Amino acid sequence: GQQLNQSPQSMFIQEGEDVSMNCTSSSIFNTWLWYKQDPGEGPVLLIALYKAGELTSNGRLTAQFGITRKDSFLNISASIPSDVGIYFCAGQKTGTASKLTFGTGTRLQVTL
Amino acid sequence: DGGITQSPKYLFRKEGQNVTLSCEQNLNHDAMYWYRQDPGQGLRLIYYSQIVNDFQKGDIAEGYSVSREKKESFPLTVTSAQKNPTAFYLCASSVDRLVGQPQHFGDGTRLSIL
Repeated sequence: GQQLNQSPQSMFIQEGEDVSMNCTSSSIFNTWLWYKQDPGEGPVLLIALYKAGELTSNGRLTAQFGITRKDSFLNISASIPSDVGIYFCAGQKTGTASKLTFGTGTRLQVTL
Repeated sequence: DGGITQSPKYLFRKEGQNVTLSCEQNLNHDAMYWYRQDPGQGLRLIYYSQIVNDFQKGDIAEGYSVSREKKESFPLTVTSAQKNPTAFYLCASSVDRLVGQPQHFGDGTRLSIL
């Protein structure tokens, strides 16, 4: 099955820095979701995007639904140690019974 | 608290043995899903169910089986036909089968081979 291209694969940043990651696809999606996964736990939903061009924030996190509907972006401002984890994008298409296609993940590590 | 409960947290399988992973949700969600996660990779869909007594194969269904006899329960059996079962298994649910309904996940079961 298809997986979305997510970049970067991993990031090492210093506390306080801003972070950007993106997710791209060769096909159109109608919904984009961003999840965070801590070690040994299930992914937790961060942000859901439903319209092309939509920009949505959740605290220090901001995500955008690309206008082509083939990509999405996640930004984290002023990173803190608890931001450490793996961030996954996921897309949904019309007519697929809410099945998700996941990205390969971005592993974020924060140094003090 | 409403949520998705997976059990056990850790499970060990012997050669030739079938094992069943439990997934229960009290969110009153219609749709439920099973994913497999391998180290350093994203999630791959094994099976999904849009409603009670109905389920469909996902991208990697071979060697797995499911049932959906109750709305709140969606157990996954890893059969002996699955030759590489070591992985982290995640169960998820969503309100219904319509696009735009985010999936919410349990905390996973880690399966290993003895």
